[in-house]
Amino acid sequence: DADVTQTPRNRITKTGKRIMLECSQTKGHDRMYWYRQDPGLGLRLIYYSFDVKDINKGEISDGYSVSRQAQAKFSLSLESAIPNQTALYFCATSRGQSTDQPQHFGDGTRLSIL
Amino acid sequence: DQQVKQNSPSLSVQEGRISILNCDYTNSMFDYFLWYKKYPAEGPTFLISISSIKDKNEDGRFTVFLNKSAKHLSLQIVPSQPGDSAVYFCAASARGYNFNKFYFGSGTKLNVKP
Repeated sequence: DADVTQTPRNRITKTGKRIMLECSQTKGHDRMYWYRQDPGLGLRLIYYSFDVKDINKGEISDGYSVSRQAQAKFSLSLESAIPNQTALYFCATSRGQSTDQPQHFGDGTRLSIL
Repeated sequence: DQQVKQNSPSLSVQEGRISILNCDYTNSMFDYFLWYKKYPAEGPTFLISISSIKDKNEDGRFTVFLNKSAKHLSLQIVPSQPGDSAVYFCAASARGYNFNKFYFGSGTKLNVKP
């Protein structure tokens, strides 16, 4: 079983719809992240959370919101989807306490907005 | 403005030979660097890292070199194997008090030919 699970894996939807992408982890990590990947660009950070009471904006948070329902769950919402939010979305986790920790990624959600 | 750049979108190497993947960065505050490997339909997986106090870190067939004065790092794979065919991302961060935000390059697709 995957340590970091993203659902759905693929989603096609229409402009203006509300969409939620979900992420759950069994690694016991405190920190969770949402990234998006676009062709020709690296992964860009949307939001991150250090624990259930801590939510922080990343570099491209406009148009997105998140919810940390539990230590193991971190969901990303697009309130009113637009075509330029079509991308590959990744959830990641890492341990707290140290900044020398790599992030562990889920397998991604491919989102297409028509 | 991308702070981490991978200028070669793709690289093709014969099995058994050396693969050299390059990465440049612009922020002199970066002090922790990582390489991730990504197969299709999977999330990136951590491969190897290096701290700025070192100029080389080795793990089996994988070696990362850091040239701080040139703001350049490279990943060498020796010998290359067909299973190494994947997209490789470099990432960099400036370790702050509590959080290391990672900046990712756009990736280099490595093809190792049998």
